[in-house]
Amino acid sequence: EVQLVESGGGLVQPGRSLKLSCAASGFTFSDYNMAWVRQAPKKGLEWVATISYDGSSTYYRDSVKGRFTISRDNAKSTLYLQMDSLRSEDTATYYCARPTVVDYYVMDAWGQGASVTVSS
Amino acid sequence: NIVMTQSPKSMSISVGDRVTMNCKASQNVGNNIAWYQQKPGQSPKLLIYYASNRYTGVPDRFTGGGYGTDFTLTINSVQAEDAAFYYCQRIYNSPPTFGGGTKLELK
Repeated sequence: EVQLVESGGGLVQPGRSLKLSCAASGFTFSDYNMAWVRQAPKKGLEWVATISYDGSSTYYRDSVKGRFTISRDNAKSTLYLQMDSLRSEDTATYYCARPTVVDYYVMDAWGQGASVTVSS
Repeated sequence: NIVMTQSPKSMSISVGDRVTMNCKASQNVGNNIAWYQQKPGQSPKLLIYYASNRYTGVPDRFTGGGYGTDFTLTINSVQAEDAAFYYCQRIYNSPPTFGGGTKLELK
């Protein structure tokens, strides 16, 4: 069974940093691209970033470019999201998601989410 | 960036009814659309990809259609467990924009 388990969420002040982790199991992690998708409270879904299966390519939405860094450790089957210079508008539940093999952006497995609140 | 607009924002129907919800892209996206279901307190689940391909394990009462700028998700004979938010998503190219969602409530 595919499992994605996020951790590292919490309350953080504006301008500070936070790092999310996603532990993957039930599939060969190193074969898949991976992604982060977020959802602000009572709002819709918003793609944040994607990383290729080997970590050689990364893609970000404009609003997080230069502030967020997606990375992975295939030996540990773990995905990361380093979030710097956090803003109130980054407050959301952050989902770790696995794209399908047929498309970079179709997500066929999701974690339960990690809550991030940016507030003073 | 391409904007995805879903309608209606919410709908209330009875078990057994047939329902169709819409997703409109601001530019031609071909068949590069996915649909997701999100129940309260849960993470999203993939239903449909490439506009009309049902994902593994998705009941055949869910049908996706459309091409270009106008897309539909139809649920035949709605069940109680189908109460959820439904989101369309432009795929294949970045950024993979989501629509604002349609809330399906059961009477």
